[in-house]
Amino acid sequence: DVKVTQSSRYLVKRTGEKVFLECVQDMDHENMFWYRQDPGLGLRLIYFSYDVKMKEKGDIPEGYSVSREKKERFSLILESASTNQTSMYLCASSETGKETQYFGPGTRLLVL
Amino acid sequence: SQKIEQNSEALNIQEGKTATLTCNYTNYSPAYLQWYRQDPGRGPVFLLLIRENEKEKRKERLKVTFDTTLKQSLFHITASQPADSATYLCALYSGAGSYQLTFGKGTKLSVIP
Repeated sequence: DVKVTQSSRYLVKRTGEKVFLECVQDMDHENMFWYRQDPGLGLRLIYFSYDVKMKEKGDIPEGYSVSREKKERFSLILESASTNQTSMYLCASSETGKETQYFGPGTRLLVL
Repeated sequence: SQKIEQNSEALNIQEGKTATLTCNYTNYSPAYLQWYRQDPGRGPVFLLLIRENEKEKRKERLKVTFDTTLKQSLFHITASQPADSATYLCALYSGAGSYQLTFGKGTKLSVIP
């Protein structure tokens, strides 16, 4: 079974802090994704990566950056957290050619 | 602009009945469509995939249809059970080298005993 893990289930941070969210997958998938999910807005793609050191902007990249130094790990960085970044963050991975996505359990981030 | 709509935010249904959820899209030519289940506080879990050249797909009590003329997919759960209560998301994949899925906002299904 594919396993996608995220570093924290819950996180509380202060405005202006730098925040790192980590995601690890164990199935050697090429593609990895970061979404945020908000009530009434659904899942929105922040960034994705189709290979090590490669990244592409999704629909809402502003205020975020990503890092993919190893195939199994994809990090989301909030350079200076703001209250409007309070959300549920979901990581996913997929195999190229089989575009089913496998999601992690999510990180609920609260920025005060 | 491209749009995916899941018609109902919430759907209540009696146990044992068939639940039918709708996903409509505009300005897309999806290569295939997927349905996911999401429980509260959890990530979505893949259920079924149907390709543009397929009319219907089944898996146990689940059935998905895909009508590219109507630009619509229907997701059915037969003999529904309280354990089927969850939010169901449809997602479109446009293919053509894209890696992305575009998700609908979901329909929250409640199966009442």
